[in-house]
Amino acid sequence: EAQVTQNPRYLITVTGKKLTVTCSQNMNHEYMSWYRQDPGLGLRQIYYSMNVEVTDKGDVPEGYKVSRKEKRNFPLILESPSPNQTSLYFCASSLSPEAPYGYTFGSGTRLTVV
Amino acid sequence: AQKITQTQPGMFVQEKEAVTLDCTYDTSDPSYGLFWYKQPSSGEMIFLIYQGSYDQQNATEGRYSLNFQKARKSANLVISASQLGDSAMYFCATHSGGGADGLTFGKGTHLIIQP
Repeated sequence: EAQVTQNPRYLITVTGKKLTVTCSQNMNHEYMSWYRQDPGLGLRQIYYSMNVEVTDKGDVPEGYKVSRKEKRNFPLILESPSPNQTSLYFCASSLSPEAPYGYTFGSGTRLTVV
Repeated sequence: AQKITQTQPGMFVQEKEAVTLDCTYDTSDPSYGLFWYKQPSSGEMIFLIYQGSYDQQNATEGRYSLNFQKARKSANLVISASQLGDSAMYFCATHSGGGADGLTFGKGTHLIIQP
């Protein structure tokens, strides 16, 4: 089944403890991106990637890192999480942003930083 | 930079009525795409419909249609014959240029269908 897989689905962590949210897609998509969703703010892009080893900042990159060493994987790294990073996170991928297929989203990761 | 505005934070609609969800966009790029996504209470993001800026006709997908008015920079989603299962958050989004830099989303509209 074609899908974007995020892990974990739920995570509660403490301030300052490094964590990684994994994202993997099995559709050979070149384009991948991370979003965070907060009530009343919609989804805001954190980082995006156009291909292996090509990444760039989105609208809210502070406090996050990403890497794209393989086409299928695009992990999101929080080196020192803070409570304001408590949010719902989505990874998404696309074969071609111009095609009418949209982006395929993962199921989301609900992160709580205490 | 692109911007999406959804002016309806919430809507209540009677079952079987048609629904129009408003979306206006702002972009200086002549080439762009417009998307609508549905997010039910379970949280997943479901792609509904896409409109390219050069498409001559309004996009349709089953009960969903996109009322694209380019001069007004408007891309409203129309749901015909609403159903209880249509209750969800709806997000309008856009990309511009090559689109490789991801999507810009609006803040969403919470639609509730009443029996």
